[in-house]
Amino acid sequence: DIQMTQSPSSLSASVGDRVTITCRASQGIGTYLAWFQQKPGKAPQLLIYGASTLQSGVPTRFSGGGSGTDFTLTISSLQPEDVATYFCQKYDIVPKTFGQGTKVEV
Amino acid sequence: QLQESGPGLVKPSGTLSLTCAVSGDSISSHNWWSWVRQPPGKGLEWIGEIYHSGITNYSPFFTSRVRLSVDRSNNQFSLDLNSVTAADTAVYYCTTNRPFGAFHIWGQGTVITVSS
Repeated sequence: DIQMTQSPSSLSASVGDRVTITCRASQGIGTYLAWFQQKPGKAPQLLIYGASTLQSGVPTRFSGGGSGTDFTLTISSLQPEDVATYFCQKYDIVPKTFGQGTKVEV
Repeated sequence: QLQESGPGLVKPSGTLSLTCAVSGDSISSHNWWSWVRQPPGKGLEWIGEIYHSGITNYSPFFTSRVRLSVDRSNNQFSLDLNSVTAADTAVYYCTTNRPFGAFHIWGQGTVITVSS
């Protein structure tokens, strides 16, 4: 099975900083990669699908890139409300594995 | 919308049964319906998925003790996980995706504790 590895596992940045999270697949998955944001005590919310397509209603400071095995999630200007854990997930074929998560603090 | 329901507390070696009620869409639409869990302080684990026809796919980690089913008359789908241990204590979410799509709708989650 394909493994998904995120880095870093946590980060702390200042308001206004540019933040980048990386997700690596152990084999190529095309662009079948999603990013989710999860705030404490809440269900995950879809941010990006197809590696780079922003879900409706998601602020444009979020962007995604990559294909094949290497992907990124970028927050162009970190805001206090972006404090959350971010997960990547492959959804090309089963199993639909998640990365281990990246906790973002401000 | 999706809404999970379950017992809250399950005894070790017992069976965990959860239901996800679907509203605003038909369970027979061209969606896949999944279960995902999150142990306390840990990441997300995909358990398995089901199509309205009954076709299922399971994670290798759960395949020996999980069963998903669809109830078209009540527009809901269910999870049965047997031989539970304390390691199955988690928040369980139901979610859905269009074919070849990402999980775009999630339930709020239900907390399951395995304890005697």
